[in-house]
Amino acid sequence: DIVMTQTPLSSPVTLGQPASISCRSSQSLVHSDGNTYLSWLQQRPGQPPRLLIYKISNRFSGVPDRFSGSGAGTDFTLKISRVEAEDVGVYYCMQATQLWTFGQGTKVEIK
Amino acid sequence: EVQLVQSGAEVKKPGESLKISCKGSGYSFTSYWIGWVRQMPGKGLEWMGIIYPGDSDTRYSPSFQGQVTISADKSISTAYLQWSSLKASDTAMYYCARIGFGELLSYFDYWGQGTLVTVSS
Repeated sequence: DIVMTQTPLSSPVTLGQPASISCRSSQSLVHSDGNTYLSWLQQRPGQPPRLLIYKISNRFSGVPDRFSGSGAGTDFTLKISRVEAEDVGVYYCMQATQLWTFGQGTKVEIK
Repeated sequence: EVQLVQSGAEVKKPGESLKISCKGSGYSFTSYWIGWVRQMPGKGLEWMGIIYPGDSDTRYSPSFQGQVTISADKSISTAYLQWSSLKASDTAMYYCARIGFGELLSYFDYWGQGTLVTVSS
């Protein structure tokens, strides 16, 4: 099984400041078809998860451009350029290269 | 508009059976895989299994194989997750989610609102 490890597990951020979350996979996420199946999801308090980023860096429909994804192989990053109050919640990385596994989640909260 | 609407919260006793549902609308239900994801209280997300409503092809996570049954009724655009004998450890929120197509193949692009299952004596 591919294990996804996120750091940090908690990220207190000042409004308007950037935030960054790292995600590392236990093995390369490059599929035999050449694609890397890595996504990021946001779960606001009391809400279902929502797809933010797919294929490492593509924003899903309706996702603000302050969210960006990057990385390759086994190391990936989600960045929020300027945190807004509505960004509070838990963020998960998810790999879909070999079935599906999620990271443990990173809680983003306002300082 | 793509929507996945799940059935309401359930409170059950250990040993009871249960079937929860996920109704899709706003897209061709038979053409997209649907997955089920568990979230235990205060915990992260775990993939349970997927089904292709077009032909009911089903795959299970090894962690959930034999513990639950996933099915679908394409005539009413509804997927199901069921247990034959619930345990207290099945207490969790359960989400259905659609797997996208094309560029979004393999990604859970739309999610249901969740069904809270509580198992307690």
